[in-house]
Amino acid sequence: GNSVTQMEGPVTLSEEAFLTINCTYTATGYPSLFWYVQYPGEGLQLLLKATKADDKGSNKGFEATYRKETTSFHLEKGSVQVSDSAVYFCALSGNTGNQFYFGTGTSLTVIP
Amino acid sequence: GAVVSQHPSRVICKSGTSVKIECRSLDFQATTMFWYRQFPKQSLMLMATSNEGSKATYEQGVEKDKFLINHASLTLSTLTVTSAHPEDSSFYICSAHDRGLLGTQYFGPGTRLLVL
Repeated sequence: GNSVTQMEGPVTLSEEAFLTINCTYTATGYPSLFWYVQYPGEGLQLLLKATKADDKGSNKGFEATYRKETTSFHLEKGSVQVSDSAVYFCALSGNTGNQFYFGTGTSLTVIP
Repeated sequence: GAVVSQHPSRVICKSGTSVKIECRSLDFQATTMFWYRQFPKQSLMLMATSNEGSKATYEQGVEKDKFLINHASLTLSTLTVTSAHPEDSSFYICSAHDRGLLGTQYFGPGTRLLVL
């Protein structure tokens, strides 16, 4: 079946530090992969996505590459800011694009 | 990007009353919408899949008579929490699947329900 395993948090970094949040998946077929971000008290916002192997999704300085050989979609950012403090969810959708599977979320706090 | 709205954003109600939450896709048609529940500091739990013009599909363990879903049009789905109890207090989030962007779901801002 489909599932997503995400690095547990919480993660605390200093401003301008390098960020990696690990995400691996198990899926049948050819899923699409996503990172969503949730700021305190708000809903989820799509951060980036990749729909096939070797695709790189990027947005707001965040990047993630769809690695089929390692079944991974790790989120990275070279220099985090205080405003990046949020909870990050890795997710995949199956072939139909309907059913979503979420990781447990990783809370990130960036301190000045 | 695509926008999904939810109304209300917050609601406080007495135990035993029913609460309706609306989910609207503002700039695209969504034949399928999803309702999630999120407990504090946890991930989203899919409750049900709402299909326009047909009955919703509920996940295992979700009471369909408790959480009534209606998807009357291509831009609106409603979730009604019937006879709410304090344990129903939670953050409810809907999402809509944009057929034009295969595999992308857009999420509403969520509705925080507190049952006293």
